[in-house]
Amino acid sequence: NAGVMQNPRHLVRRRGQEARLRCSPMKGHSHVYWYRQLPEEGLKFMVYLQKENIIDESGMPKERFSAEFPKEGPSILRIQQVVRGDSAAYFCASSPLAVADTQYFGPGTRLTVL
Amino acid sequence: KNEVEQSPQNLTAQEGEFITINCSYSVGISALHWLQQHPGGGIVSLFMLSSGKKKHGRLIATINIQEKHSSLHITASHPRDSAVYICAPRGADGLTFGKGTHLIIQP
Repeated sequence: NAGVMQNPRHLVRRRGQEARLRCSPMKGHSHVYWYRQLPEEGLKFMVYLQKENIIDESGMPKERFSAEFPKEGPSILRIQQVVRGDSAAYFCASSPLAVADTQYFGPGTRLTVL
Repeated sequence: KNEVEQSPQNLTAQEGEFITINCSYSVGISALHWLQQHPGGGIVSLFMLSSGKKKHGRLIATINIQEKHSSLHITASHPRDSAVYICAPRGADGLTFGKGTHLIIQP
């Protein structure tokens, strides 16, 4: 059973470009969580999704950031018009049930904005 | 908002020593995760516990819900245990993460 997969592992973008981060949850998991880890800071919750639904996006910046988890395919975290402050590690986690369940983390995507 | 504090922030110890990492939080929770982040950045979930004590190999985690405190212990520590250990209590609004304890085990 493959773990949570994220790609790309490293992503370099210039200011103003778009970044798309993908997360494939573990088989059988229908709940996905995105977290951001800024340099020298702890992990911060961004968004919690189930298939085709955003359940909690209280941690998402109001502008430029969006997330989806379609019926088919991976969850996507999209950052439009990236700025240097978006440089961070973005982790995805998945769980089989709701928020009370153990979360399994992916390896992360390291975004660098030049 | 749940305030999470971990101590110590940094810990260097010799191989074989018994290690304790502490986590305190400010609001009621349903469960608490302990995570391990390796130098390469990957995150592994070590424990999720809501009461008492859990043990996996050389790792032991305890939680006291009334006192809002959890500890992670490592017995017979080894250099491969060197990592950042992160406490993440789960409240009504999901996981809140501590800043982590940077552990270095020297041979």
